[in-house]
Amino acid sequence: AQSVTQLDSQVPVFEEAPVELRCNYSSSVSVYLFWYVQYPNQGLQLLLKYLSGSTLVESINGFEAEFNKSQTSFHLRKPSVHISDTAEYFCAVTPLGSGNTPLVFGKGTRLSVIA
Amino acid sequence: NAGVMQNPRHLVRRRGQEARLRCSPMKGHSHVYWYRQLPEEGLKFMVYLQKENIIDESGMPKERFSAEFPKEGPSILRIQQVVRGDSAAYFCASSAGGTRNQPQHFGDGTRLSIL
Repeated sequence: AQSVTQLDSQVPVFEEAPVELRCNYSSSVSVYLFWYVQYPNQGLQLLLKYLSGSTLVESINGFEAEFNKSQTSFHLRKPSVHISDTAEYFCAVTPLGSGNTPLVFGKGTRLSVIA
Repeated sequence: NAGVMQNPRHLVRRRGQEARLRCSPMKGHSHVYWYRQLPEEGLKFMVYLQKENIIDESGMPKERFSAEFPKEGPSILRIQQVVRGDSAAYFCASSAGGTRNQPQHFGDGTRLSIL
């Protein structure tokens, strides 16, 4: 079984400041890793994913995450946040292997960007 | 290019009534997942279906909850004799399937309120 821990439930940050949202996971098998973003009253949108290859993955809107196998972490970072980044961010994992398997989510981190 | 469509967006029921939540996957997607989001919690997996088949229902409560994904039409999550604790946001996700894990695309959810 897998579990995901997002250490911070809320992160306030000033506009144009850097931010890091932490995610650690536990699994007895190798996993795929994902970050999803949820804006108010909307569903989850895929922000970025790690499946294999380079451990640093980037999204189109300036976020990046680095897979660290030894620390079982997949922290999300952005060097300079905008007001529009205010949302809830969910880290998720699913086991490697054939087929499609359900996602296991963390409890989420609410990012609030302050002007 | 429609994404995952869920309806209704909001549903209000009295205790003891039935709730029916609908999900139309993205075009070309044959895998559907249902998740439940309680306040201040991440998403919890409920059930995974392919056309006409339940693949994994390990997250479904044993009583009152059922799901189907018929050959024609949307996937339906049905909750009989609803109770206050069923109040939550229910999200549907779909994926394309195949041998490599495919990202799941989420709908905007149905927010169920039990009076």
